[in-house]
Amino acid sequence: QSVLTQPPSVSGTPGQRVAISCSGSSANIRRRTVNWYQQLPGTAPKLLIYSNNKRPSGVPDRFSGSRSGTSPSLAISGLQSGDEADYYCEAWDDSLNGPVFGGGTKLTVL
Amino acid sequence: QVQLVQSGAEVKEPGASVKVSCEASGYTFATNAIHWVRQAPGQRLEWMGWINPDTGNTKYSQKLQGRVTISGDTSATTTYMELSSLRSEDTAVYFCARGVDYYDSGGYYYYYGMDVWGQGTAVTVSS
Repeated sequence: QSVLTQPPSVSGTPGQRVAISCSGSSANIRRRTVNWYQQLPGTAPKLLIYSNNKRPSGVPDRFSGSRSGTSPSLAISGLQSGDEADYYCEAWDDSLNGPVFGGGTKLTVL
Repeated sequence: QVQLVQSGAEVKEPGASVKVSCEASGYTFATNAIHWVRQAPGQRLEWMGWINPDTGNTKYSQKLQGRVTISGDTSATTTYMELSSLRSEDTAVYFCARGVDYYDSGGYYYYYGMDVWGQGTAVTVSS
């Protein structure tokens, strides 16, 4: 089963900016847009970014998505303690005809 | 407001089946796909399958094909996920989520993620 690859962890201090990368294959990320989710401990995932760089209503602009060629990333600026969560990338996979998720990146605010 | 409300936690023995419900409210039920995603303890999110509530068409992950069945009741705006032949590896939190997508005039499919999620249903498989 195709999966996406993310760094297992990132960390930063309050106020800093961090970035999380995501990689995949020609069946998913290289031809499809990427979505990002935030999962706070013990809760359901929340859609944070869709279509590479669009924020749903209510998502602070501290969260931004970008894509350099076939390499998408999520950036979080002005880190806050409440940002501590797991972050997942996701994209549609044309070979599976369904979405695939990354392994998740745990953000720690030091 | 738009929400998905799932049924409560379940404990099942190996070999049994479990059926989890997901009731939608606050939007037109037929207009969005409903996906089912599970998360084993400490593991990544795993897509299980989806249903088009309008047509009843379904698609399942290759891994779970044959063991998972997703169905819908439009009159009750409820979707169901049934997983059979349970094993310990099926112990997980199961989520339903509303999909956002679009087909253009040429039939190309655009997928924009899952914008509303249920609260999750813990399923424990243990003897």
